[in-house]
Amino acid sequence: KAGVTQTPRYLIKTRGQQVTLSCSPISGHRSVSWYQQTPGQGLQFLFEYFSETQRNKGNFPGRFSGRQFSNSRSEMNVSTLELGDSALYLCASSLSNGELFFGEGSRLTVL
Amino acid sequence: KQEVTQIPAALSVPEGENLVLNCSFTDSAIYNLQWFRQDPGKGLTSLLLIQSSQREQTSGRLNASLDKSSGRSTLYIAASQPGDSATYLCGATGGGNKLTFGTGTQLKVEL
Repeated sequence: KAGVTQTPRYLIKTRGQQVTLSCSPISGHRSVSWYQQTPGQGLQFLFEYFSETQRNKGNFPGRFSGRQFSNSRSEMNVSTLELGDSALYLCASSLSNGELFFGEGSRLTVL
Repeated sequence: KQEVTQIPAALSVPEGENLVLNCSFTDSAIYNLQWFRQDPGKGLTSLLLIQSSQREQTSGRLNASLDKSSGRSTLYIAASQPGDSATYLCGATGGGNKLTFGTGTQLKVEL
């Protein structure tokens, strides 16, 4: 059974650009959540989607957005990139019992 | 607001030793508590999930306990091996899949 797949794994952008990250959940998982991991702030919750609806949102500015498609795949977008957005972005999917399974992450570097 | 603390921040032990990692949380109204390991540059691997109605879970050499009244969870690793070297993270959720994470315990098991 395939795990959570995130693409791209690595990317480099410059300040002011935008980026889109993709996440394919484990087959049958309908909930997808996103987290940002940085050395200074640790792991922080961005948002969660269930059946194409945002169910929960963390304390991030509006430049961070996401969506979920009917096949449960999800994307997150960061607009007007800042140096501080450099991080490992992790996607997790889960069943109804709430156990989260994470992908390998997308490592974003903003120059 | 849920806050999660992990002690110690780093731990170095000789191979074969039994060890305990600690996780404290401030809001006892948690739904799930989940333990993960993270290898450098990688995503999170789920180790154990403890639901609020449970007191402990076991998987192989790992045992995790949950005491909601005292706001604590412990991860016990028996007969540690060099392959156990990683950062161990605990995450607590009050519902949905919004996990609040601790900052982790970096474990090194030496030959």
